[in-house]
Amino acid sequence: NAGVTQTPKFRVLKTGQSMTLLCAQDMNHEYMYWYRQDPGMGLRLIHYSVGEGTTAKGEVPDGYNVSRLKKQNFLLGLESAAPSQTSVYFCASTPRDRLISSGNTIYFGEGSWLTVV
Amino acid sequence: DAKTTQPPSMDCAEGRAANLPCNHSTISGNEYVYWYRQIHSQGPQYIIHGLKNNETNEMASLIITEDRKSSTLILPHATLRDTAVYYCIVRGYNQGGKLIFGQGTELSVKP
Repeated sequence: NAGVTQTPKFRVLKTGQSMTLLCAQDMNHEYMYWYRQDPGMGLRLIHYSVGEGTTAKGEVPDGYNVSRLKKQNFLLGLESAAPSQTSVYFCASTPRDRLISSGNTIYFGEGSWLTVV
Repeated sequence: DAKTTQPPSMDCAEGRAANLPCNHSTISGNEYVYWYRQIHSQGPQYIIHGLKNNETNEMASLIITEDRKSSTLILPHATLRDTAVYYCIVRGYNQGGKLIFGQGTELSVKP
């Protein structure tokens, strides 16, 4: 049981390049999230998904796209990277709402450090 | 979604209790209060959660006021390793999945 796994952990991009971050969870969770965290700041929600084939915008969705083709995977794409997207990206997953009373319900990945030069 | 308000920073002496407050005055009846912490740039770590009763586990205690509009996370004997940013989050049923973090409280435990 690996929990939430993010790949890659580190990446340096040139402005204008594209890339995809992969989040994988093996807990059969319905909900998955992508956050970004800038230095000295809290976590800000980029996009989230409440199930396979569905996605929704969070607080800061511009410049990002997401896909949830399989329940266990949530992909975050940067089509044309900008220096403002330099950040640490965290993925999280959780069971759907009716199960949230059951203890530690929000699981986080270890983060992906992205630098855009 | 219910909003949370936390002080931006707090200090605590090593070995003393750390009491971290959170205001969630717009919380609704079916929303839980969760506490997470983040050390350096690691992924947030679960601490505790509760609905209306006080809760205790091996890490901390959670005190929720009777009107549920505020809560306090208590670390009974803070150590240097408890230095972190602590996030109070409210979430309930039928929120459509959205999960928003506030700014959190940066706790500094000093020798």
